[in-house]
Amino acid sequence: NAGVTQTPKFQVLKTGQSMTLQCAQDMNHEYMSWYRQDPGMGLRLIHYSVGAGITDQGEVPNGYNVSRSTTEDFPLRLLSAAPSQTSVYFCASSRTLNTEAFFGQGTRLTVV
Amino acid sequence: AQSVTQLDSHVSVSEGTPVLLRCNYSSSYSPSLFWYVQHPNKGLQLLLKYTSAATLVKGINGFEAEFKKSETSFHLTKPSAHMSDAAEYFCVRDNFGNEKLTFGTGTRLTIIP
Repeated sequence: NAGVTQTPKFQVLKTGQSMTLQCAQDMNHEYMSWYRQDPGMGLRLIHYSVGAGITDQGEVPNGYNVSRSTTEDFPLRLLSAAPSQTSVYFCASSRTLNTEAFFGQGTRLTVV
Repeated sequence: AQSVTQLDSHVSVSEGTPVLLRCNYSSSYSPSLFWYVQHPNKGLQLLLKYTSAATLVKGINGFEAEFKKSETSFHLTKPSAHMSDAAEYFCVRDNFGNEKLTFGTGTRLTIIP
């Protein structure tokens, strides 16, 4: 049982480049979300989805896009990377909002 | 805005002594509350959750938390700290009216040998 799989684990981008962070879960969870973790700020919600075809913005959505074409996958796209997007990104999934969330191992992104 | 406040950014305790990590929440209703742990370079793992059943919640690895509505608190405790408890701990809540979770800023727990 793989749980939540995030790729890549590390990435360095140049300012202005675009990329997609991948997230896949094999637990048939409806709820998926992306967070960024910055020192002293906890985890902040970027985007979330309550099911295939449904996405919504979180607390810090600017500069990021998401889509949810299948239950399993929830990719996060950086449209034009900026140094302010240097962070650790986590994908999470859960059966519902109020049940246990399972987190991926994280992607450490550096934008130079 | 609905929030959680973790009162200490860093807590240090000696191995074998009690652990207390403090969390207060703001709300006019009783939210669902969670504690998650993050070991270095790892994802987050659920320790325990409160969802309006028993006010004293027992979690994994000997941790427990008590929901106190009168104090709007959900403090995490453990009777005896172990070296493996060194990690960052997050208090998390749901929000009335939307499908989002709110995370506290985290408490880093250091265990002194």
